[in-house]
Order: sequence, then C-alpha cells, then structure tokens
Amino acid sequence: DVKVTQSSRYLVKRTGEKVFLECVQDMDHENMFWYRQDPGLGLRLIYFSYDVKMKEKGDIPEGYSVSREKKERFSLILESASTNQTSMYLCASSSLGGGENTQYFGPGTRLTVL
Amino acid sequence: EDKVVQSPLSLVVHEGDTVTLNCSYEVTNFRSLLWYKQEKKAPTFLFMLTSSGIEKKSGRLSSILDKKELFSILNITATQTGDSAVYLCAVPSNTGKLIFGQGTTLQVKP
Repeated sequence: DVKVTQSSRYLVKRTGEKVFLECVQDMDHENMFWYRQDPGLGLRLIYFSYDVKMKEKGDIPEGYSVSREKKERFSLILESASTNQTSMYLCASSSLGGGENTQYFGPGTRLTVL
Repeated sequence: EDKVVQSPLSLVVHEGDTVTLNCSYEVTNFRSLLWYKQEKKAPTFLFMLTSSGIEKKSGRLSSILDKKELFSILNITATQTGDSAVYLCAVPSNTGKLIFGQGTTLQVKP
C-alpha cells in the first residue's frame, strides 16, 4: 500500500510564526505535491516537486516555500503565518510520467492561524 | 487554458437511489482521468481511466470515459449513507500536476 504521512493532523499557530509542514512517502515516488483545500474553492496546488531539490510553483505559491532535500520528504514552509493561511493542507505523491500520475494523498493537516 | 468542470456541484438523494456524476475536461495532451472520493479527510483514489468506452467497476461504483466528447461519468448504484462524500475528478497536465474539478458533494439520506 502506498503510504503518505504528514507530520501533524491538527496545528494551531500564531500570526507571524514560522510553520513547517512535513510530508513523507514510502513508495519511491518522484513527484510530490502540496495543496490547500478551502470550502468552495476546492483543491488548489501550492507547490510541487518532480525530483530532489527541484520545485515548481503551483497556482497559489505566495506566502509559501518548499524544500525537498530527500526523495521521500517534501516540506511546506510558511515563513510568517497569517490568518488567511488557515486551511486544510494536503500532501500527495505520484510516480513519474506516462498516463499514470495517480496521486496518493496524505491524511491532511488542519492548520489554524490565530 | 486547461480546465476540468464537474456537475452537479451538489446532490441530495435517498438511500437506494442511483446517481450519475459528470466530469468534462479540456486538457492539452490528455492521457488519463482520475476519480477520487473525499470524506472528512484526504481524497482516496477510485479509478483511473485512459481508454474510451471501457467501463471501470468497483462494487456499486463504475466509471466510463468518452474521449471524443471529452467527459467522464461516475455512477453509484443503490446508494448508501456511507457514499456521502465529495467526489473529485482530476486530469494530469504535462508536468504531472493534477487539474481538479470543483468536486460534487453527494449527500445520501437514510
């Protein structure tokens, strides 16, 4: 079974704090993704990475950065958390190329910024 | 611009009803279409469709793709309250990003 894990299920932070969200996958997938999900807005891609040390901006990268030092781990960083970053954050991974691209999701981290 | 559109956005049915969820797409270099089910947690994978006209089936769920008309449907027969969820349709872009539809929220009442 593909397993994607995220470091926290629930997180509460204060405005201005630096926040790290960790994601680990155990299937040797090349691609990893960070989404946020908000009511009425669906899933929106923040950043993705198709290889170690590679990253690409998604649709809403502002206010976020990412790090991929190892293939199995993809971190999302909020340099200075703001209340509008309160959301559900979902990590996903997939294998590379072809028509496959089936993404497997982690359980999500519900972040609240006060 | 690549896009995926789902309809309806929400649906309320009673147990035992059959539902059909729609997903249309406009994507460059289409290769596959994915369906996910999302309850109060992360999306779980249901089906991947790559070929027109070939039905994929899993229990009471089935799905089919029409590459000529650029859409897919997800059918759920004999619905149960446990089918209540958001159903997401997604199509991979060239870069491996998934382009998601808005989702269809299905509520099945007892």
